[in-house]
Amino acid sequence: DVKVTQSSRYLVKRTGEKVFLECVQDMDHENMFWYRQDPGLGLRLIYFSYDVKMKEKGDIPEGYSVSREKKERFSLILESASTNQTSMYLCASRPRLATQPQHFGDGTRLSIL
Amino acid sequence: AQKITQTQPGMFVQEKEAVTLDCTYDTSDPSYGLFWYKQPSSGEMIFLIYQGSYDQQNATEGRYSLNFQKARKSANLVISASQLGDSAMYFCAMREGTSYGKLTFGQGTILTVHP
Repeated sequence: DVKVTQSSRYLVKRTGEKVFLECVQDMDHENMFWYRQDPGLGLRLIYFSYDVKMKEKGDIPEGYSVSREKKERFSLILESASTNQTSMYLCASRPRLATQPQHFGDGTRLSIL
Repeated sequence: AQKITQTQPGMFVQEKEAVTLDCTYDTSDPSYGLFWYKQPSSGEMIFLIYQGSYDQQNATEGRYSLNFQKARKSANLVISASQLGDSAMYFCAMREGTSYGKLTFGQGTILTVHP
């Protein structure tokens, strides 16, 4: 079974802090994704990566950056956290074949105070 | 314009009955794929079923089937013989072209199964 592990299930940070959300997958998948989920809006793509050190902006990249130094790990960085970044964050991975589904981690519920 | 639309914020169904969750999509790409995911209250996203735009037959996976009507751009999920454990949020999502497998999600439908 594919395992996508997010480092924290719940996280509380303060406005202005630099926040790191970590995601690790164990299936050698090329593609990795970060989404945020908000009520009534579904999941929205923040950033994705199709290879080591490669990254592409998604639909809502403002205020975020990412890092992929190793194939199995994809980090989401909130450069200076703001209250409007309070949300559920979901990481996913997928093999190169486009018909394959994305596999998701359990999510990190992030609160910015 | 919304690329994926789920018009039912909430649905109720009696246990053992069938239920249809609606999904319409908008794309001009001839190659695309449609996915359905289930999200229980615990939060994890569970993949249910996939339909490719060139697939000739509607996809089925156990109690899940996808009513794919290409001309109408709809990809409704049908759950047969509902169970209490089917109570969850359900998301429809679309991948356009190869696009590195990026998915665009709908707003979701909360399904409640009554005993």
